[in-house]
Amino acid sequence: EPEVTQTPSHQVTQMGQEVILRCVPISNHLYFYWYRQILGQKVEFLVSFYNNEISEKSEIFDDQFSVERPDGSNFTLKIRSTKLEDSAMYFCASSEGTSGGPDTQYFGPGTRLTVL
Amino acid sequence: RKEVEQDPGPFNVPEGATVAFNCTYSNSASQSFFWYRQDCRKEPKLLMSVYSSGNEDGRFTAQLNRASQYISLLIRDSKLSDSATYLCVVNKDGQNFVFGPGTRLSVLP
Repeated sequence: EPEVTQTPSHQVTQMGQEVILRCVPISNHLYFYWYRQILGQKVEFLVSFYNNEISEKSEIFDDQFSVERPDGSNFTLKIRSTKLEDSAMYFCASSEGTSGGPDTQYFGPGTRLTVL
Repeated sequence: RKEVEQDPGPFNVPEGATVAFNCTYSNSASQSFFWYRQDCRKEPKLLMSVYSSGNEDGRFTAQLNRASQYISLLIRDSKLSDSATYLCVVNKDGQNFVFGPGTRLSVLP
């Protein structure tokens, strides 16, 4: 069964450093997403991406964040200057997007980001 | 009012029990609704989509009441493996999805 993969599984970084989280969505999917979940809290939407551009973003997704699809398979989330409060689990998800509307999302296993 | 609210839980039930979770949402324009389950420190996994007419998948039944902006999930004959956090997810608009805080279920032997 096809699945979303994410690397690394755990990233430790110093405050102020840039990090890039990587995702490989399911190959025939058209919509890609990033979510974060701070430990013990709910899953929060960050951004959705379609046709090589951002289609929606939340208030959390400020200028420190960017997304990119550098090639036909990877989807990345960059945090330019990490803050302590960026420590969280970051989930990538993808969906087929063929129904013309919101549809089932499949999540990757997540990257746990720890900012020291 | 929060966008998506759920029973705070936790629910501790014996094996074989029937348990129901409730979820309310604030945006009356929401179109799509889902139940996900999340095991500890794992990714959310789709349990079922929720359709206007209600739908059933084995031991799981989901209901939607658009007038009351209310979604429910019923689990019958609960198993130990059902222990998880159950997340109500509502499509806010476009491709923006809002997750509820989740309701934790522990099924006890």
